[in-house]
Amino acid sequence: NAGVTQTPKFQVLKTGQSMTLQCAQDMNHEYMSWYRQDPGMGLRLIHYSVGAGITDQGEVPNGYNVSRSTTEDFPLRLLSAAPSQTSVYFCASRRTLNRGNNSPLHFGNGTRLTVT
Amino acid sequence: QQQVKQSPQSLIVQKGGISIINCAYENTAFDYFPWYQQFPGKGPALLIAIRPDVSEKKEGRFTISFNKSAKQFSLHIMDSQPGDSATYFCAAWGGGSQGNLIFGKGTKLSVKP
Repeated sequence: NAGVTQTPKFQVLKTGQSMTLQCAQDMNHEYMSWYRQDPGMGLRLIHYSVGAGITDQGEVPNGYNVSRSTTEDFPLRLLSAAPSQTSVYFCASRRTLNRGNNSPLHFGNGTRLTVT
Repeated sequence: QQQVKQSPQSLIVQKGGISIINCAYENTAFDYFPWYQQFPGKGPALLIAIRPDVSEKKEGRFTISFNKSAKQFSLHIMDSQPGDSATYFCAAWGGGSQGNLIFGKGTKLSVKP
């Protein structure tokens, strides 16, 4: 199992450009989510999905779109990049919606995005 | 109500010492409290977790202490090692059926040899 795979690892965009951050998991997990990590701000939830075809907003959804057409993939789209979106983005998945140690959140290794 | 407050922001401990990181929450609906460990260039990974029906959980050198009445919980790392140098996040289950975790802002731990 590869776990949660994120691509690319690094990306530089100019203001106004759009791009898609890819996330794939091979663990047949129901739940997938996107977080952004900024210094001193911790991990903030952008969007999440509880199954194929179902997505919802998290704490900081503005400027981002998601879709979940398959169980495995959960891409994050930046519609018109802004310098405020410079961050490290993490995709995470969990086997079920139930909390507990038997269903921990598995993170990818992140995409470091810089918007100039 | 949805926040998890974590302190300190950074911590320097000598090898062999005890590292203590504290978290507090307001929402009494939270009922699952994991800690995640993150090494540079990697995603966070589950370290240890506790439910509020127990006051302490220990796994090796890592212990969570939980005070339900004060709505506080803490991570203790005994005999801290340089390999423990990482960023630690406390978190809380956000309630509901969605499965969202709410994270603290993180503590960067450096263990000096």
